[in-house]
Amino acid sequence: DQQVKQNSPSLSVQEGRISILNCDYTNSMFDYFLWYKKYPAEGPTFLISISSIKDKNEDGRFTVFLNKSAKHLSLHIVPSQPGDSAVYFCAATRYGGSQGNLIFGKGTKLSVKP
Amino acid sequence: KAGVTQTPRYLIKTRGQQVTLSCSPISGHRSVSWYQQTPGQGLQFLFEYFSETQRNKGNFPGRFSGRQFSNSRSEMNVSTLELGDSALYLCASSSGPDGTQYFGPGTRLLVL
Repeated sequence: DQQVKQNSPSLSVQEGRISILNCDYTNSMFDYFLWYKKYPAEGPTFLISISSIKDKNEDGRFTVFLNKSAKHLSLHIVPSQPGDSAVYFCAATRYGGSQGNLIFGKGTKLSVKP
Repeated sequence: KAGVTQTPRYLIKTRGQQVTLSCSPISGHRSVSWYQQTPGQGLQFLFEYFSETQRNKGNFPGRFSGRQFSNSRSEMNVSTLELGDSALYLCASSSGPDGTQYFGPGTRLLVL
């Protein structure tokens, strides 16, 4: 049973517009969430994280929103750039992230068109 | 700081053989985790080592094992390779408290 779900396998967005990537989770014990970006043949690159005590975290063009009651989080990229084209993974873990066992969604492939 | 390094980057083995993959974490990081990425199953957690002890384990058969050395470097071993073990094996290290894991480039294993 998938504990972390990314229901959109792909997303296409025009350069300069907002990209919104969504993620749902089922395990209410998860209390730390992360987003990673991955290019083919490379390891995932950390983007941004959020603790369950917050509902929003921003870092430059990236903002993550957490809705605990809906068990839903989203990553907003504004403005989107062609270099953002990659696969984005949502990940979740317990114990405030102090232990290294991330549970990943299956990813959303983002294409940003010039 | 240098990032996480993994060796070898590519490996071809035949069924029944065994393989050992190596991971050097970011300097100062004591936690090392291993993941398997396949097209069908995505990124799946294998195990995590912290201070030379296995702290967490995913749902993989006993053919998959690992260890961590006193300098935090880690190895994972897969015995009696099966075709389904063909995957990208990723290692990640973290300094602990905030859970941010930094990944290496991975080892691409092909089992023939």
